[in-house]
Amino acid sequence: DAKTTQPNSMESNEEEPVHLPCNHSTISGTDYIHWYRQLPSQGPEYVIHGLTSNVNNRMASLAIAEDRKSSTLILHRATLRDAAVYYCILSFSGGSNYKLTFGKGTLLTVNP
Amino acid sequence: DAGVIQSPRHEVTEMGQEVTLRCKPISGHNSLFWYRQTMMRGLELLIYFNNNVPIDDSGMPEDRFSAKMPNASFSTLKIQPSEPRDSAVYFCASSLRAGLTSTDTQYFGPGTRLTVL
Repeated sequence: DAKTTQPNSMESNEEEPVHLPCNHSTISGTDYIHWYRQLPSQGPEYVIHGLTSNVNNRMASLAIAEDRKSSTLILHRATLRDAAVYYCILSFSGGSNYKLTFGKGTLLTVNP
Repeated sequence: DAGVIQSPRHEVTEMGQEVTLRCKPISGHNSLFWYRQTMMRGLELLIYFNNNVPIDDSGMPEDRFSAKMPNASFSTLKIQPSEPRDSAVYFCASSLRAGLTSTDTQYFGPGTRLTVL
C-alpha cells in the first residue's frame, strides 16, 4: 500500500485558516486521497477526497499538488470544534479489494 | 437517519470470558468494516464484508477473533477467550456500495470500549 506522512501535531488559533499537509510520494495514478478526522471519543468521520483536481465542500478544501506527491487539507476558519486527529489516507486500488489504511494522523489543537 | 449503531458502548470483562460486540450498519449499505483502535497501534482494520460475505480478514489478530454477518442489518465480532491485550475501542463502519470503489465513504459508529481485566 502507498504510505502517507503527516506531522504528529499542529496548533492553530480560532477563526484562522489551517493548512494540514500530507506527503504521499509513492502514490499511484489511480489512488484517491481521502481525509478523515476523529473528534475526541468519537469514531472517524469523512472530511473530503480527491484524485487530481482541488476539491471544496462545506467542511474543507483539498489542494493536490500537480505531481500528486503531496496534498493539503485547508480549514478556512478553524473553530474549537475542529480540534481532532486528521488522517490523510490513500485508497488501496487493487481490483475489487479496497480498504482504508489509517496512519497516526495529525493532532490539531485549536486555541481560543 | 440513524447512523451506524454499536452495542454495547462499554464492556468490562475478565480474562478468559467470551465477548460479543454488535453492529447495525446504515440501512441500504452493502459493506461493513470492523476496526480496532489502541494507543500503541492506532486504528487497524480487522475484517470487512461485502454483501454479507467476508472479503478480507487478514487483519484479524488470531483465531480467538471471529466475525459474522448473518444478514444485511447485523454483524458481530466475537472474542473467545478474551485477554487483557484485547482491551481497545472497537469501531464498526459501513459504506454504500458493494464492489467497492476508491471513492466510497465509510461511516463509523461510536465504538465499543472493551476492557479485559
